[in-house]
Amino acid sequence: EAQVTQNPRYLITVTGKKLTVTCSQNMNHEYMSWYRQDPGLGLRQIYYSMNVEVTDKGDVPEGYKVSRKEKRNFPLILESPSPNQTSLYFCASSRKFEETQYFGPGTRLLVL
Amino acid sequence: GQQLNQSPQSMFIQEGEDVSMNCTSSSIFNTWLWYKQDPGEGPVLLIALYKAGELTSNGRLTAQFGITRKDSFLNISASIPSDVGIYFCAGRRGGATNKLIFGTGTLLAVQP
Repeated sequence: EAQVTQNPRYLITVTGKKLTVTCSQNMNHEYMSWYRQDPGLGLRQIYYSMNVEVTDKGDVPEGYKVSRKEKRNFPLILESPSPNQTSLYFCASSRKFEETQYFGPGTRLLVL
Repeated sequence: GQQLNQSPQSMFIQEGEDVSMNCTSSSIFNTWLWYKQDPGEGPVLLIALYKAGELTSNGRLTAQFGITRKDSFLNISASIPSDVGIYFCAGRRGGATNKLIFGTGTLLAVQP
């Protein structure tokens, strides 16, 4: 089954404790992206990757890092999480220039 | 980063009623997309539009790519309880990236 998976689905952590949210897709997509969703703000792009070893900032990259060492994986790293990073996070993937982005199920993060 | 203006923010309707929502931008887009997000899930693509003036249907859903390329509309006819969710518009300018700009979402509640 073609899908985008994220882990963990739910996470509660404390300020300053590094964490990683994993994202994996099995569709051989070149393009992958991370979004955060906050009430009243819709989805805002954090980082995206056009292909392996090619990443770039989205609209709200501050406080986040990403890496793309393999085509299927695109982890989101919070080196020192803060409460304003409490949010619902979505990973998405698509073929390059192809319009349909497939979204993962989301990761709900609470930073205390 | 830019966001699209989506309205209304929320709608509470009776089963069987028709629904209309729209999305506007100050910039021109080459592609307009409409997504639906069910509670606890990631967004799922409903309709994609590629040409100004294009009118596309998907079952009871109909979406239009505005002639100015700065807006798009989604209509749902004869709503049913499973239409409940958040509807997002998204625009893509094209070019070298596949970056999507999302609207702020319309929450739809349908009372049986």
